[in-house]
Amino acid sequence: GAGVSQTPSNKVTEKGKYVELRCDPISGHTALYWYRQSLGQGPEFLIYFQGTGAADDSGLPNDRFFAVRPEGSVSTLKIQRTERGDSAVYLCASSDRDRGLSGANVLTFGAGSRLTVL
Amino acid sequence: AQSVTQLDSQVPVFEEAPVELRCNYSSSVSVYLFWYVQYPNQGLQLLLKYLSGSTLVKGINGFEAEFNKSQTSFHLRKPSVHISDTAEYFCAVSAYNDMRFGAGTRLTVKP
Repeated sequence: GAGVSQTPSNKVTEKGKYVELRCDPISGHTALYWYRQSLGQGPEFLIYFQGTGAADDSGLPNDRFFAVRPEGSVSTLKIQRTERGDSAVYLCASSDRDRGLSGANVLTFGAGSRLTVL
Repeated sequence: AQSVTQLDSQVPVFEEAPVELRCNYSSSVSVYLFWYVQYPNQGLQLLLKYLSGSTLVKGINGFEAEFNKSQTSFHLRKPSVHISDTAEYFCAVSAYNDMRFGAGTRLTVKP
């Protein structure tokens, strides 16, 4: 697609429920990132995929958070037993390395999914 | 992992005045540096980036930034701001595809 698409744009759920957030990256981008942005804060790294595999999941806060990218394109962030502290905007970004500059990644962000846990 | 410190959480400035938003980073390896802008109720947009070459980089909307390796800084500047520049600005540092962001600086341009 032309940009990074995230759905839903807004999700309101009750404490304890399960939620899934979807990210559709730019076509052909091999790298996909999830960040969480709380009110008044910068984006906090959660997980990074290169292709189908999670290259770095060190930012996932606990085992209630899980993300998959089974075919190397669309990714789903899954949150179990949601808590009020999970309320935030969840950002997805994708990138393809600049040619000739190994490791230089320019991220394109989606508009985010705003999660509110009541 | 690398980290970013944005020294000012809020910067109020009058229209047509110059502005500098400060960013310092920490890393044990060579990094790439970025500034992103987030307008109210919108997603993050790339403002400019330093990958290699000239340490003075120019971005969109008249912004520029200078990479200073010895001071581990990447400050953002604009000689004359407009009301429309009111937004949140994020500095980011990347190494080995691992990108980390600062807490952000809220730039408010007053008439």
